[in-house]
Amino acid sequence: GAGVSQSPRYKVAKRGQDVALRCDPISGHVSLFWYQQALGQGPEFLTYFQNEAQLDKSGLPSDRFFAERPEGSVSTLKIQRTQQEDSAVYLCASSLAEGYDEQFFGPGTRLTVL
Amino acid sequence: AQSVTQLGSHVSVSEGALVLLRCNYSSSVPPYLFWYVQYPNQGLQLLLKYTSAATLVKGINGFEAEFKKSETSFHLTKPSAHMSDAAEYFCAVNTNAGKSTFGDGTTLTVKP
Repeated sequence: GAGVSQSPRYKVAKRGQDVALRCDPISGHVSLFWYQQALGQGPEFLTYFQNEAQLDKSGLPSDRFFAERPEGSVSTLKIQRTQQEDSAVYLCASSLAEGYDEQFFGPGTRLTVL
Repeated sequence: AQSVTQLGSHVSVSEGALVLLRCNYSSSVPPYLFWYVQYPNQGLQLLLKYTSAATLVKGINGFEAEFKKSETSFHLTKPSAHMSDAAEYFCAVNTNAGKSTFGDGTTLTVKP
């Protein structure tokens, strides 16, 4: 399909484990965003890439969270030493141009930390 | 700083009735405003967006929203609800390219 895809769709981790969440944006989209959505809440901004450059990472909750987009396409969000409070749905979105443009969202990865 | 408040976490209407979902924003600069819909286990889908052109914005599925600067509001409406409109709706504001701030969402229930 031509939409944003994310993998895995579901991830269960034991507390202390490292996890890696993948996002495949729409081909040709310059901007890529990561959001964290807790149960019953709206998405919270984590970080933003324009091509391979990470322009804003002010939303990353701690230094255990790290995101990269080395070739300006696929992105990975890594969470080290997961904690129970990291349990949430992680949404990826991409847009054709700069951040004011419409964002196309993937289905999300539901992370459960036991 | 930017923020969004959605009044009413749950709204219930009868099929065929008017839908009104409320959104108020706070922004120190002219905002870009968005409404998204989210169906269970799916990502968010854009319904409509305001980008400082016309204040009345028409979107998909018969939804529209009016930007009112004096009231700092961007309420979402639809004249006649359909069962398929049942979903969660999010209002978002963007004044800093890339950094959208979302409200907590409103769950719309449509009764037959």
